[in-house]
Amino acid sequence: EPEVTQTPSHQVTQMGQEVILRCVPISNHLYFYWYRQILGQKVEFLVSFYNNEISEKSEIFDDQFSVERPDGSNFTLKIRSTKLEDSAMYFCASTRGGKETQYFGPGTRLLVL
Amino acid sequence: AQKVTQAQTEISVVEKEDVTLDCVYETRDTTYYLFWYKQPPSGELVFLIRRNSFDEQNEISGRYSWNFQKSTSSFNFTITASQVVDSAVYFCALSEARRDDKIIFGKGTRLHILP
Repeated sequence: EPEVTQTPSHQVTQMGQEVILRCVPISNHLYFYWYRQILGQKVEFLVSFYNNEISEKSEIFDDQFSVERPDGSNFTLKIRSTKLEDSAMYFCASTRGGKETQYFGPGTRLLVL
Repeated sequence: AQKVTQAQTEISVVEKEDVTLDCVYETRDTTYYLFWYKQPPSGELVFLIRRNSFDEQNEISGRYSWNFQKSTSSFNFTITASQVVDSAVYFCALSEARRDDKIIFGKGTRLHILP
């Protein structure tokens, strides 16, 4: 069964460094999402992406964040200058369409020191 | 505005007991989807169910069952004959039936099944 994959599974970085989190959505999916879960808290929506542009973003998704689909398979989340509070689990999700189920990847656990 | 409330922060039951996790939602839309996800200690989100707002039939899948009541805006989840492997955080979630809508999660209920 096809699945969403994410790399790396864990990343440790220093405050102020740039990080890129990578996701490979399911191949025939058209809509892509990033969510964040701070340890012990709920999963929060960051951004949705369709047709090579952002569809919607939350207030968490400020200028330090960007998303890109650089080729036909990868979907990336870049944090330009990480802060301590960016430490969280980041989940990628994809779906064929808005009325279809979103499939989540296993997550990337980011720790900012 | 959309909102999902899971009032039970943490529940502990002894193995083989039945347990119900509560979920209350708010939305102005008439068409929406409700979800339950399981998050085991390993951290991934495991999809359990998606229910369309027009389908109020209860659903059963093995030891799992879901009770959807639009009149009370609730979508409760029951585990029958609980097992230690059911220990996890369970999230109820909501999305509007738009083309690319985001999922709004509740804060989750941490379920401990004691042997």
